[in-house]
Amino acid sequence: GNSVTQMEGPVTLSEEAFLTINCTYTATGYPSLFWYVQYPGEGLQLLLKATKADDKGSNKGFEATYRKETTSFHLEKGSVQVSDSAVYFCALRVAKTSYDKVIFGPGTSLSVIP
Amino acid sequence: NAGVTQTPKFRVLKTGQSMTLLCAQDMNHEYMYWYRQDPGMGLRLIHYSVGEGTTAKGEVPDGYNVSRLKKQNFLLGLESAAPSQTSVYFCASSYESTGGKLAGFYEQYFGPGTRLTVT
Repeated sequence: GNSVTQMEGPVTLSEEAFLTINCTYTATGYPSLFWYVQYPGEGLQLLLKATKADDKGSNKGFEATYRKETTSFHLEKGSVQVSDSAVYFCALRVAKTSYDKVIFGPGTSLSVIP
Repeated sequence: NAGVTQTPKFRVLKTGQSMTLLCAQDMNHEYMYWYRQDPGMGLRLIHYSVGEGTTAKGEVPDGYNVSRLKKQNFLLGLESAAPSQTSVYFCASSYESTGGKLAGFYEQYFGPGTRLTVT
């Protein structure tokens, strides 16, 4: 079946540090891949996405590249800020299949300290 | 444009009580979803709807019922609440572009959540 695995958190970084959150997936077919962010007390917001192999999604300084050969979609940011403290969810969707829904990973909590 | 709204924001129930959570979207989306979020488990799909008048079971449907009588509303009901249903509930809606340059473009929008405690 389809599934998403993320690195376990929580992750604590100092401001301006480099961030990597690992995400790997298992899917039948050709999934679209997403990163969602959830700030404290809020719902999830789409951060970035990629729909085919080698696509790079980017937004707000975050990037992730769709790597089909390693079935990965790792999230990176060169210099984190305190305002990036949130929970990050990797997700996939395989469209037009018997399970055409978004599947979420367990989430990785990030705390950025000044 | 309010996006996706949820009512109520917080609720405490006693075991065996019933309640309905309301989700509303003003984006004319066809698809709507109910998820629950529990620590360490991410989001799990409870029920979903692909259009007005339709509903389907997700990953964890037991103990919940849903209705989609109007396109903009998706209701989640708990007939007899149990402590295992203590969770944060999120509603979402989505659309998928079927033609033109954005064919296949898909995006899901979430509400702010409802925190439910069952004692």
